[in-house]
Amino acid sequence: DIQMTQSPSSLSASVGDTVTITCRTSQGIRNDLGWYQQKPGKAPKRLIYAASSLQSGVPSRFSGSGSGTEFTLTISSLQPEDFATYFCLHHNYYPQTFGQGTKVEIK
Amino acid sequence: EVQLLESGGGLVQPGGSLRLSCVASGITLTTYAMSWVRQAPGKGLEWVSSISGSGGSTYYADSVKGRFTISRDNSKNTLYVQMNSLRVEDAAVYYCALLGGWLPGDYWGQGTLVTVSS
Repeated sequence: DIQMTQSPSSLSASVGDTVTITCRTSQGIRNDLGWYQQKPGKAPKRLIYAASSLQSGVPSRFSGSGSGTEFTLTISSLQPEDFATYFCLHHNYYPQTFGQGTKVEIK
Repeated sequence: EVQLLESGGGLVQPGGSLRLSCVASGITLTTYAMSWVRQAPGKGLEWVSSISGSGGSTYYADSVKGRFTISRDNSKNTLYVQMNSLRVEDAAVYYCALLGGWLPGDYWGQGTLVTVSS
C-alpha cells in the first residue's frame, strides 16, 4: 500500500500570506493526486485534480504541482474563507489513501 | 445539480450491524466508481471502500475487510454499504462519494453519523 506523508499538520498564517502544503508518497504515483478543502461540519471539497488541474469554480489562488512522489498545494494571497483543513488523496490504485491533513489557522 | 444523499446512520452496539444507503440525483451513476469515506470525530479522512460502475469489482480498506460489503443498484441510482461486526473504532461520519480521480467531477454527500457504543 502507498503511504502518504502530509506536512505540516498545522500552520498559522495571515490574510494575504502564501502558504504551501506538501504530500509525499512512498511510491511514485505519476500525477494521480487530488487536494481537498474541508471546513468544520462540512463534506470535503476538491480543489485540485490530477496534481495540478484546478477544479471548476475554485479560485485561481489555489494551485497544485508535482508528480511522482512529491506534491504541493499552494494558496497565494490567503483569504479569510481559506482557513480550513486540507487533505491530499492519491488514486493511483486501491487502497486509495488520504494524507493526514493540514489545518490552516489564522495568525 | 448532482446530489448524493446518505441515510441509515445511527447508534448501534459493538458487534451490531447497519446498512447505509446513498441515493444519487442529477447524475446517472452507472458509469462511475463510487466510494465510501469515513471520518472519526476530530480525525482525518479514511477511504473505506469503492465499487466499480458495473459493481463487478469491489475494494476495501484492511480495517473493514471481511466485515463491510459495498454494493450498488444502478436501476435505483443507489449505493450501499452493509456494515457487520461493528467496532467502537468504526464510529464516524460516513460519506458517500464519487471520487473523480482524473475526471473533472467529484461529488460528496453530506455524511451520515454512525455511533458504536454500548
